[in-house]
Amino acid sequence: DIQMTQSPASLSASLGETVTIECRASEDIYNGLAWYQQKPGKSPQLLIYNANSLHTGVPSRFSGSGSGTQYSLKINSLQSEDVASYFCQQYYDYPTFGAGTKLELK
Amino acid sequence: EVQLVESGGGLVQPGRSLKLSCAASGFTFSSFAMAWVRQAPKKGLEWVATITSGGSNTYYPDSVKGRFTISRDNAKSTLYLQMDSLRSEDTATYYCAKEGYTFGVMDAWGQGASVTVSS
Repeated sequence: DIQMTQSPASLSASLGETVTIECRASEDIYNGLAWYQQKPGKSPQLLIYNANSLHTGVPSRFSGSGSGTQYSLKINSLQSEDVASYFCQQYYDYPTFGAGTKLELK
Repeated sequence: EVQLVESGGGLVQPGRSLKLSCAASGFTFSSFAMAWVRQAPKKGLEWVATITSGGSNTYYPDSVKGRFTISRDNAKSTLYLQMDSLRSEDTATYYCAKEGYTFGVMDAWGQGASVTVSS
């Protein structure tokens, strides 16, 4: 199985700030990476696929980058509605998820 | 609008069985692979099963292989998860998900069905 290591586990940031979440795969996943947002008490929602492609309807302040084993999700100009947990997921092999990053407002 | 509505969750004793259903609408169900993903209380996400659009191929992680069976009825636009020999570690919220863009990308999710395995 491909292991996904996500960091940080939790993050506190101010409104308007830029936030970056990292994800490292245990082997090359050739951009087969997605990012999901899960708000409290809700189901996950797709943000990014193919490492850097924005899912339909997702605000442009979200962006993804990376290659090989290292990937990141960036949120520009943090909004209150971005408070959520974020998960990376590889799909180069059978799907596996990172442990998640809980984003809170400072 | 894509809608996925799970049902069939509940409390079940260890070793017993339970079957989840997911009613799909708002898209051509028969054209897309579908998946189940679970989330234990206060934990992360774990992929549980995937079935191809026609139902001919299924995939499972080792943690549920041989105990869980994913299936679908394209005429009814419904996805199923048969769970046998349930264990306490299967306690979780089970989400039905539509796979889009490519295999493994889950672009729509249901609201989840809660399964508790306890005596």
